[in-house]
Amino acid sequence: GAVVSQHPSRVICKSGTSVKIECRSLDFQATTMFWYRQFPKKSLMLMATSNEGSKATYEQGVEKDKFLINHASLTLSTLTVTSAHPEDSSFYICSARGHTIAGGSYNEQFFGPGTRLTVL
Amino acid sequence: LAKTTQPISMDSYEGQEVNITCSHNNIATNDYITWYQQFPSQGPRFIIQGYKTKVTNEVASLFIPADRKSSTLSLPRVSLSDTAVYYCLVEDDYNQGGKLIFGQGTELSVKP
Repeated sequence: GAVVSQHPSRVICKSGTSVKIECRSLDFQATTMFWYRQFPKKSLMLMATSNEGSKATYEQGVEKDKFLINHASLTLSTLTVTSAHPEDSSFYICSARGHTIAGGSYNEQFFGPGTRLTVL
Repeated sequence: LAKTTQPISMDSYEGQEVNITCSHNNIATNDYITWYQQFPSQGPRFIIQGYKTKVTNEVASLFIPADRKSSTLSLPRVSLSDTAVYYCLVEDDYNQGGKLIFGQGTELSVKP
C-alpha cells in the first residue's frame, strides 16, 4: 500500500504561537487529503478536506482562520494551528487518497502516523 | 453519510476467532463498507473493504448480507497484537469525495 508521513511526530509549543504540521504522500499522488483530530479515548473527528490546488472545505464548527490548510502540490498538505491554546492540544492525523504514479487509483485512504500537539 | 453502530468494546482470548458486527441501516447504493484498525497514538490502518457478499484478504474476512444493512468483520485466531480499536465506515466515493466519518469504534482487547 501507499505511505503517508507526517512531520513532526510530536510538538510542544507555548500558548499563542503557531504550529505547522506537514503531511506527505511518499509514493503516490494525493489528489485529496483529509485532516482529523483525535482526543484521548475518542474517535477521529474530520476537520477538513483539501483538494490539490483549491481551497480546503471545512467541517461545521471548525474555524478555518485558526486551522489553515494548504495543499499546494500532489504530495504535500500542511495544517497550521494559529495562535495555539491549550485546548488545541490533540492528536492530529492526516489521510490521503489519489493515484499511483502509473495512473491507477487507490480505493482506500491512507493515514499518516499522526502528530501529537501539546500547547502549554 | 450513513451512520454506523458498533459495540463499544469486546474481549477475546488468543487463538479465538473474533467477529465484530456493524449496523448501517441507512447505507446508500453507492456506499462501500470499509474497516480500519487503530493502535494507540497511531493513524488508522486499512483492513478490508467490500460492497456485498464476502471479501477475504490475508488478515480478515468481511461478510455483508444481501440487504447490506450490516456487516461483520471476522478476525481469525487473534493474537495479543490484535488489541486495538476497530472502526467500521461507509464511504461514498462519488458524492462525498471519499470523505470518511468515523463512529465510536469497537475497542477489542485480546487476553492471553
